[in-house]
Amino acid sequence: DIVMTQSPDSLAVSLGERATINCKSSQTLLYSSNNKNYLAWYQQKPGQPPKLLIYWASTRESGVPGRFSGSGSGTDFTLTISSLQAEDVAVYYCQQYYTTPRTFGQGTKLEIK
Amino acid sequence: EVQLVESGGGLVQPGGSLRLSCAASGLTFRNYYFHWVRQAPGKGLVWVSRVNGDGSSTAYADSVKGRFTISRDNAKNTLYVQMNSLRVEDTALYFCATSTGAHDAFDIWGQGTVVTVSS
Repeated sequence: DIVMTQSPDSLAVSLGERATINCKSSQTLLYSSNNKNYLAWYQQKPGQPPKLLIYWASTRESGVPGRFSGSGSGTDFTLTISSLQAEDVAVYYCQQYYTTPRTFGQGTKLEIK
Repeated sequence: EVQLVESGGGLVQPGGSLRLSCAASGLTFRNYYFHWVRQAPGKGLVWVSRVNGDGSSTAYADSVKGRFTISRDNAKNTLYVQMNSLRVEDTALYFCATSTGAHDAFDIWGQGTVVTVSS
């Protein structure tokens, strides 16, 4: 199974500042035939199901604010929130969909400093 | 609007059984793979199982293999998971999810149904 490891486990950032969450996979998520990274990012707020933010490691889902961006390739990925808003307080998960089982990272709790 | 609604959760004793359902609307159900994902109280997301469009192919997490069975009824637009030999560690909020985009990430999720395994 591919193991997904996020860092940090929790993060406190001031409003308007940048938040960065890292995700590392135990195997490459880059599929050579199409040059796509099979990596997604989700946001989960309390009492809600996860919401897809980013797929193909860097493509924003429709309706997701532009302050959210994804980067990285192979085994190392990053989710960046360029200017933290109060509504961004949530737990963020990365997930690989390169193979089954579709493993998730352990989650990163993002709070306001 | 695409909507997934789970049901069937509840309190069950260890060793017991439960069947969860996920009713889908707003999409051509038979065209999509569906997944179950669970979340233990205060913990992270764990993928459980998936089924292909016609139900002929399934996959399971090692933790549930041999105990859980995923299935679907395309005539009823409904996904199921039959959970047998339940353990305390199966206690969780169970979500159904699918991907409707050209990618394979989960863009549609239900609200979840709670399963509690306790004596």
